[in-house]
Amino acid sequence: EAGVAQSPRYKIIEKRQSVAFWCNPISGHATLYWYQQILGQGPKLLIQFQNNGVVDDSQLPKDRFSAERLKGVDSTLKIQPAKLEDSAVYLCASSSQTVAYEQYFGPGTRLTVT
Amino acid sequence: SQKIEQNSEALNIQEGKTATLTCNYTNYSPAYLQWYRQDPGRGPVFLLLIRENEKEKRKERLKVTFDTTLKQSLFHITASQPADSATYLCALPAGGFKTIFGAGTRLFVKA
Repeated sequence: EAGVAQSPRYKIIEKRQSVAFWCNPISGHATLYWYQQILGQGPKLLIQFQNNGVVDDSQLPKDRFSAERLKGVDSTLKIQPAKLEDSAVYLCASSSQTVAYEQYFGPGTRLTVT
Repeated sequence: SQKIEQNSEALNIQEGKTATLTCNYTNYSPAYLQWYRQDPGRGPVFLLLIRENEKEKRKERLKVTFDTTLKQSLFHITASQPADSATYLCALPAGGFKTIFGAGTRLFVKA
């Protein structure tokens, strides 16, 4: 079974630029999560999708972050414009409806904003 | 607000010894608690889930306890190996569909 795929793995941008991350969850997983992990901290949930719909985006900075999940499969997370404090690893995870508590994580995208 | 505390100091132990990591939480009563492992440059990997009505759970060399009175979980790795070196994260459901992760404890096992 293929795992959660993410791209790119690394990205360096200047502040005020925009960036997009892509995630392909495990086939058949209805729930998809985007987390932000700052160095030395645990992952912090940004947004959670159930199929196409958003079930939690309470910690997503909506003035600069956006996310979508088309056709209930792939997802993209966008930051526009980026700030220095957005430097972090962005993790995508997915889980099935039958074992919802067990999240499978991708390798993450390390973003550096200079 | 809900809070998870894990020892921020790294734990250094000798190969073959038992590693014990602690997770404390405040301001809520979770129905279950999870432990994940995270290696450098990788995403977390699910290890174990323990429910509020379970005192202890084992999986191979791993043992987790859950004390809802103390609001604490202990994570033990017996007969530790250098390959067990990683960061271990505690995670709890935070209401609705959200999961909250602790900052993790870094474990180093020396040969």
